Amino acid sequence: GQQLNQSPQSMFIQEGEDVSMNCTSSSIFNTWLWYKQDPGEGPVLLIALYKAGELTSNGRLTAQFGITRKDSFLNISASIPSDVGIYFCAGPSNTGNQFYFGTGTSLTVIP
Amino acid sequence: ETGVTQTPRHLVMGMTNKKSLKCEQHLGHNAMYWYKQSAKKPLELMFVYSLEERVENNSVPSRFSPECPNSSHLFLHLHTLQPEDSALYLCASSLAYRGGYGYTFGSGTRLTVV
Repeated sequence: GQQLNQSPQSMFIQEGEDVSMNCTSSSIFNTWLWYKQDPGEGPVLLIALYKAGELTSNGRLTAQFGITRKDSFLNISASIPSDVGIYFCAGPSNTGNQFYFGTGTSLTVIP
Repeated sequence: ETGVTQTPRHLVMGMTNKKSLKCEQHLGHNAMYWYKQSAKKPLELMFVYSLEERVENNSVPSRFSPECPNSSHLFLHLHTLQPEDSALYLCASSLAYRGGYGYTFGSGTRLTVV
């Protein structure tokens, strides 16, 4: 299946700092999804992007659909302890019958 | 209750046991999925059901047997598992099978095979 590469793999930051992470694909996507997984829980959808160049916010989170359609970015401003978790990007297959998921970025926020 | 509910949350089973994982959704979605999540690996799609019909089976060993009796319920029957099958098993649902609709996930069943 399609491989989505996320970077960085893990981040350790101080509370209050901003966070940036990205996801790249070898092929073009027409949708990008960003999920967050809290420890011991399933992933929860944060933001969905449907158009190249689109910039969408959800509270302190902002995600962008890359112009090349092969990448996407997620930023978190003024991080807080509850931002801890693993952040996954996802993109649909060509036939739209499944989503491929990235390997995740693990975020630790130090109070 | 809304969302996707999975039971049990934790399961420890021996290699000769038979157990089942249950998933229930009350979102009116028509597609349901089983994913396996192992440490340091991307989510692996196992099975997809659309309108109670299995439409995807991603080369999953026969010791995993899915069942979808109706559009709200999905089961994963387990028998003679191996220790490497220990993982978090996630159920998800979406509005439809095709069309790129995002998934709603359950909280998962943490499976340990001893």
